[in-house]
Amino acid sequence: QKEVEQNSGPLSVPEGAIASLNCTYSDRVSQSFFWYRQYSGKSPELIMSIYSNGDKEDGRFTAQLNKASQYVSLLIRDSQPSDSATYLCAVTRNTGGFKTIFGAGTRLFVKA
Amino acid sequence: DVKVTQSSRYLVKRTGEKVFLECVQDMDHENMFWYRQDPGLGLRLIYFSYDVKMKEKGDIPEGYSVSREKKERFSLILESASTNQTSMYLCAIQDGIYEQYFGPGTRLTVT
Repeated sequence: QKEVEQNSGPLSVPEGAIASLNCTYSDRVSQSFFWYRQYSGKSPELIMSIYSNGDKEDGRFTAQLNKASQYVSLLIRDSQPSDSATYLCAVTRNTGGFKTIFGAGTRLFVKA
Repeated sequence: DVKVTQSSRYLVKRTGEKVFLECVQDMDHENMFWYRQDPGLGLRLIYFSYDVKMKEKGDIPEGYSVSREKKERFSLILESASTNQTSMYLCAIQDGIYEQYFGPGTRLTVT
């Protein structure tokens, strides 16, 4: 079992729809959770961080964390073609030194 | 804004060559990282450093070494490049609560 798992996709949504990206993690002591966006040929860019259970909203993006289910998600409202990218989930734990594990990413296509 | 720069965007080297990849940050961040990214495998940590002259192995350190003589500069060294080291190499710094910020990446091809 991978430490951080994401559906590789591609996930295809029409413009204006809500895109829902999901991530599960295996280590219960994980403390910090991140979503990165990566355009083709570019480096990852941090778009959201979340540290406690519940929802965190930033513009069109909402991160959701459920530590009991070991699940973190990213919702993108009013999806735009410019949102088409690979989204990486990352999880950090701090036991005997911190470690960040990245998922392999979900490819999102937003159709105009 | 955090700024991380890498010495080259694209690099082509021959098998057996010694390769240096450089990463420079413009702030006083202590923690710096080197990753490689391959399709289907995601980001894998090669080495990280939490201070000048300090380094720790990541998950895949074999065939690589690092150097951090100054706080702003973290170098990745491929002692003898091999074709299986063809990859995208990404440098990152840590800020805030474990947030990582990446440089533009170096796409290395070893022929």
